[in-house]
Amino acid sequence: GAGVSQSPRYKVAKRGQDVALRCDPISGHVSLFWYQQALGQGPEFLTYFQNEAQLDKSGLPSDRFFAERPEGSVSTLKIQRTQQEDSAVYLCASRRTGISTDTQYFGPGTRLTVL
Amino acid sequence: GDSVTQMEGPVTLSEEAFLTINCTYTATGYPSLFWYVQYPGEGLQLLLKATKADDKGSNKGFEATYRKETTSFHLEKGSVQVSDSAVYFCALSEGDTGGGNKLTFGTGTQLKVEL
Repeated sequence: GAGVSQSPRYKVAKRGQDVALRCDPISGHVSLFWYQQALGQGPEFLTYFQNEAQLDKSGLPSDRFFAERPEGSVSTLKIQRTQQEDSAVYLCASRRTGISTDTQYFGPGTRLTVL
Repeated sequence: GDSVTQMEGPVTLSEEAFLTINCTYTATGYPSLFWYVQYPGEGLQLLLKATKADDKGSNKGFEATYRKETTSFHLEKGSVQVSDSAVYFCALSEGDTGGGNKLTFGTGTQLKVEL
């Protein structure tokens, strides 16, 4: 079956531009996570949705970052007024349930480069 | 807060050699532990997991045992193949805290297997 998909796969933005990154989770998956992975590092948590509710946004680095999942399926991560330090791979993961031991399935990521 | 420490890479081995990648963790509760693998050009994939102390996770010849007394979850394989070349991430997820049980990752260990 289809896995988690993300678009675009690559995004180049000029400093100060707004960007929107899309995640299509596995159909029927309740939980959705966004992570940020800097070069040579492990992914770091940004935010978590259970259905359409954003239950944890403690990892968002600033108020320039905003995420939504209005219908409990597709999610969008928006970054306003991009800065060079926002350059990273943004990973989306979905999980069938809200249970911690259940597997998170990751998408291929969107590589954002801010010039 | 929670943290994961894993050995730095790159680790270079000859085919059929024994592999150990060390991982230790710090957590306030009783986490579940995971190993994820990222093959070149691909997204993160779950390799194995263990959800309680003394559990052994195994998959594709890899195994890791959840050691609560040493707070460790070392990854081992008896005989590596060239196709095992990838980046390996150790991760933990705290128990049900109502916050989605995000994954906390180590920095990753690159494995290169040569003929």
